[in-house]
Amino acid sequence: SQQGEEDPQALSIQEGENATMNCSYKTSINNLQWYRQNSGRGLVHLILIRSNEREKHSGRLRVTLDTSKKSSSLLITASRAADTASYFCATDGDSSYKLIFGSGTRLLVRP
Amino acid sequence: DTAVSQTPKYLVTQMGNDKSIKCEQNLGHDTMYWYKQDSKKFLKIMFSYNNKELIINETVPNRFSPKSPDKAHLNLHINSLELGDSAVYFCASSQGSYGQPQHFGDGTRLSIL
Repeated sequence: SQQGEEDPQALSIQEGENATMNCSYKTSINNLQWYRQNSGRGLVHLILIRSNEREKHSGRLRVTLDTSKKSSSLLITASRAADTASYFCATDGDSSYKLIFGSGTRLLVRP
Repeated sequence: DTAVSQTPKYLVTQMGNDKSIKCEQNLGHDTMYWYKQDSKKFLKIMFSYNNKELIINETVPNRFSPKSPDKAHLNLHINSLELGDSAVYFCASSQGSYGQPQHFGDGTRLSIL
């Protein structure tokens, strides 16, 4: 069964604005990761947040994790056209040897 | 110096044929994976291998047979291709498990005619 659901499915913003994507999951986790996928390319790891962490930053990215609500959010600040991509959350679910991916958010940043 | 490379990038073939996709990683990782991404971009794990041993087989039809000749390679052979096999197949690798960051290839787009 699919672990993560992402919201919104699609997001269109103007360059310079902030973009927020949300992810919900179903079971307990060890960590949660966010990935980016550009059109026609593979996924690229962005950031990992452990279950005992509440917030993590990496450059223009800010991730929060609320294990009580089984949810996470990814904030991209001061967006650029190059941020246009699909963004996926992934959790380790019920096995240490697999990631379960959410349905993804398609982000379009208009120049 | 590509980290995870898959070949071919595109594969167009007839229903019923047998085809293989190759994957190689030069990151020194000990765990490799195959994922299937459908037309709605939903990404699902198919197999994972750790040190050449099969760890995860996520209820994939036995027409799909992965082979790991060494830690740096994980190939995927598909027999008797069906229309529903049309998808993008991604290979990935990581060092260890417990949800370590994974490095993905650029995918193989398989189209069944």
